[in-house]
Amino acid sequence: QVQLVESGGGLVKPGGSLRLSCAASGFTFSDYYMSWIRQAPGKGLEWVSYISSSGSTIYYADSVKGRFTISRDNAKNSLYLQMNSLRAEDTAVYYCARGCVVAATVFDYWGQGTLVTVSS
Amino acid sequence: AIRMTQSPSSLSASTGDRVTITCRASQGISSYLAWYQQKPGKAPKLLIYAASTLQSGVPSRFSGSGSGTDFTLTISCLQSEDFATYYCQQYYSYSTFGQGTKVEIK
Repeated sequence: QVQLVESGGGLVKPGGSLRLSCAASGFTFSDYYMSWIRQAPGKGLEWVSYISSSGSTIYYADSVKGRFTISRDNAKNSLYLQMNSLRAEDTAVYYCARGCVVAATVFDYWGQGTLVTVSS
Repeated sequence: AIRMTQSPSSLSASTGDRVTITCRASQGISSYLAWYQQKPGKAPKLLIYAASTLQSGVPSRFSGSGSGTDFTLTISCLQSEDFATYYCQQYYSYSTFGQGTKVEIK
């Protein structure tokens, strides 16, 4: 069965960095677009970034452009999000999600999420 | 960026009720609209995509309609497991979610 397991969240000071990972299993990882979506405490969902199956196409939300970097290692079935220059408003649960075959940004499987807290 | 506005923000309903949630896009998005259900402490679950196509395994009491800028999610006969927050999402241009509609027990 499809599984996505995020890790790497934690408490970081403003201006700091953190790298999130997402381990995928149960499907051919290299065939699918992948995304990061976040949810601030008590708030709604915000798409952060996506990466194509090969890694050649990448897009970011304006709110993280220039600070976050998405990447993937198809040999390791893993997705990553490098987060730099973190701000308080980046505090959220970060989910990795698989893009559907029908559309890259329709998300049919999600991980359980990892909490990132940016605070001094 | 395309903005998605859901209404209402919350509603109270009883088991067996018919519930309708609306979603409006700030510009036309054809049928590039999905709906998700999220329960507290859990990841969202895909219910519907392409405005009206039911995701595999989703009960038929869920249905979606609309195109262009106005969309609806209908739950025909509310069950206890349906009390949750529902989000619409446009994928016409990247991705934007609505603010959510919380369905609570009356």
